[in-house]
Amino acid sequence: GAGVSQSPSNKVTEKGKDVELRCDPISGHTALYWYRQSLGQGLEFLIYFQGNSAPDKSGLPSDRFSAERTGGSVSTLTIQRTQQEDSAVYLCASSSDFAGGTDTQYFGPGTRLTVL
Amino acid sequence: GNSVTQMEGPVTLSEEAFLTINCTYTATGYPSLFWYVQYPGEGLQLLLKATKADDKGSNKGFEATYRKETTSFHLEKGSVQVSDSAVYFCALRGNSGGSNYKLTFGKGTLLTVNP
Repeated sequence: GAGVSQSPSNKVTEKGKDVELRCDPISGHTALYWYRQSLGQGLEFLIYFQGNSAPDKSGLPSDRFSAERTGGSVSTLTIQRTQQEDSAVYLCASSSDFAGGTDTQYFGPGTRLTVL
Repeated sequence: GNSVTQMEGPVTLSEEAFLTINCTYTATGYPSLFWYVQYPGEGLQLLLKATKADDKGSNKGFEATYRKETTSFHLEKGSVQVSDSAVYFCALRGNSGGSNYKLTFGKGTLLTVNP
């Protein structure tokens, strides 16, 4: 079966523009996660979805960041008014979550965001 | 809070050399421990994991043992290959505090294996 897919693979934008990053989890996986990988901060947790709800948004760095998930499947991470410090690789992961969030997380290839 | 510290790279080895990448952690309770690998141009892949003390995870010739007494999960391989060149991440997932789904990662170690 297909793994986690993300689009676009690369995104270059100008400071102040909005961007949307998309994640398609593995079919049947109820849990979905967003992480950010940057040179200065390493890999950081952003948000966790269980179905369509997000019980943990604690990692979102500012109110310019938001995410939604529809139909228990595709998720979109939106960054408004992008800043240069938002440049990073945004990783999505999913898991089956049968064990209450403790199943193995499978990662997508990431979206590399560059803010000029 | 939870944290993971792994040895900083880059690590450069010759083919067939022995590899150790150190990883120590801070966490309450009994976390699960993981090693993920990121090959050039690819996404993160789970390499191995251990969910309780003294468990040994193994895969593709790599091994790591969950040592609670030293809060460590060092990655080892007896004979590395050029194809093992990648970035290796140590990670933990806590089992308390209601956030047992969140992975906390180390900063990654770049391994380069020369023929």
